[in-house]
Amino acid sequence: QKEVEQDPGPLSVPEGAIVSLNCTYSNSAFQYFMWYRQYSRKGPELLMYTYSSGNKEDGRFTAQVDKSSKYISLFIRDSQPSDSATYLCAGKTSYDKVIFGPGTSLSVIP
Amino acid sequence: ETGVTQSPTHLIKTRGQQVTLRCSSQSGHNTVSWYQQALGQGPQFIFQYYREEENGRGNFPPRFSGLQFPNYSSELNVNALELDDSALYLCASSTRLATNTGELFFGEGSRLTVL
Repeated sequence: QKEVEQDPGPLSVPEGAIVSLNCTYSNSAFQYFMWYRQYSRKGPELLMYTYSSGNKEDGRFTAQVDKSSKYISLFIRDSQPSDSATYLCAGKTSYDKVIFGPGTSLSVIP
Repeated sequence: ETGVTQSPTHLIKTRGQQVTLRCSSQSGHNTVSWYQQALGQGPQFIFQYYREEENGRGNFPPRFSGLQFPNYSSELNVNALELDDSALYLCASSTRLATNTGELFFGEGSRLTVL
């Protein structure tokens, strides 16, 4: 079992839709959780990170972590074509490496 | 733009050859991590360098080695290349504190093809 799992998609939504991206993880020692966005032929860029359980909002993006169910979510409101990318969720313990999921490919159709 | 630059951007090698990939970290960052990303997969951790010393290693064989220089730039060396080494190699720089919270700043990667 991989430490971080997510549905690879592809996920296709119309412009303006609310997008929900989800991950599960197996390592109960994870304390930090991240969402990275990766455009085609580019390196990943950090969207946001959270510590432990709870919600964090940044503009149109909301990250949610439920440690009791080992579930990580990213919500994108008013999705735009520029949001079309692969979204990587990740987790880590305090002093260990970042563990990435395989990524979910998202297309936002104008 | 993260300020992390990698070279070369693309290269083709044959099985058994050796390759060196280079990374210049963002100004003010003293920690460099290297990741391998196969097509359709998430990045896999190779190793991390902090102040010129290896500070953590993933499940990669010894033929994957690295260096970090006094200016915090870094190299990834891969010996005896295998077909499965074909991938995008990503360098990420960070401060020590930001590394602990998972805040990594990635370059655009070096795409290696092994024939």
